[in-house]
Amino acid sequence: DIQMTQSPSSLSASVGDRVTITCQASQDISNYLSWYQQRPGKVPKLLIYDASKLQTGVPSRFSGSGSGTDFTLTITSLQPEDTATYYCHQYNPLPPFTFGPGTKVDMK
Amino acid sequence: QVQLLQSGSELKKPGASVKVSCKASGYSFTSLNINWVRQAPGQGLEWMGWINTNTGDPTYAQGFTGRFVFSLDTSVSTAYLQISSLKADDTAVYYCLRGHYDTYWGQGTLVTVSS
Repeated sequence: DIQMTQSPSSLSASVGDRVTITCQASQDISNYLSWYQQRPGKVPKLLIYDASKLQTGVPSRFSGSGSGTDFTLTITSLQPEDTATYYCHQYNPLPPFTFGPGTKVDMK
Repeated sequence: QVQLLQSGSELKKPGASVKVSCKASGYSFTSLNINWVRQAPGQGLEWMGWINTNTGDPTYAQGFTGRFVFSLDTSVSTAYLQISSLKADDTAVYYCLRGHYDTYWGQGTLVTVSS
């Protein structure tokens, strides 16, 4: 099965900072990767799919890049409401699919 | 509008069984598979598997074979997750979602296993 790793596991940043989260797959998954944001006690929210496509309604400060095994989620100007845990998810395109372990983002 | 409505919270004793439902509306139920995802308290998301809504064929992730069963009732656009021989570490929120990735998730069902 494909394993996903994320780094860092947590980070603290200030309002307006640029934040980068990386996700690595244990084998080539092409661009079959999505990113989710989960605020405490809430249902995960789709941010990015197919590695770099912004889901409708998601603020443009979120962007995704990468292909193959290495992927990045970038928040260009961190806002207080971005406090959440972020998960990558591979869907390669046949199962089994896997989530990364998550990156917790909070405000300094 | 698209909606996935899950059944309510459950409190079960160890050894019991539970069946969680996920009722879909607002789209053609058989157009997208239904995934199940587990989130234990304070933990991350685990992909449990999915069920092909056309054929009813399930696919289970490692660690979710044997006691976990996915099923469908297409006449009411509903997917089910049944867990048997419940253990304390099955305590979690269980989510359903459509397709390979989606903005539409069920609201989650908390299953608590405690004596």
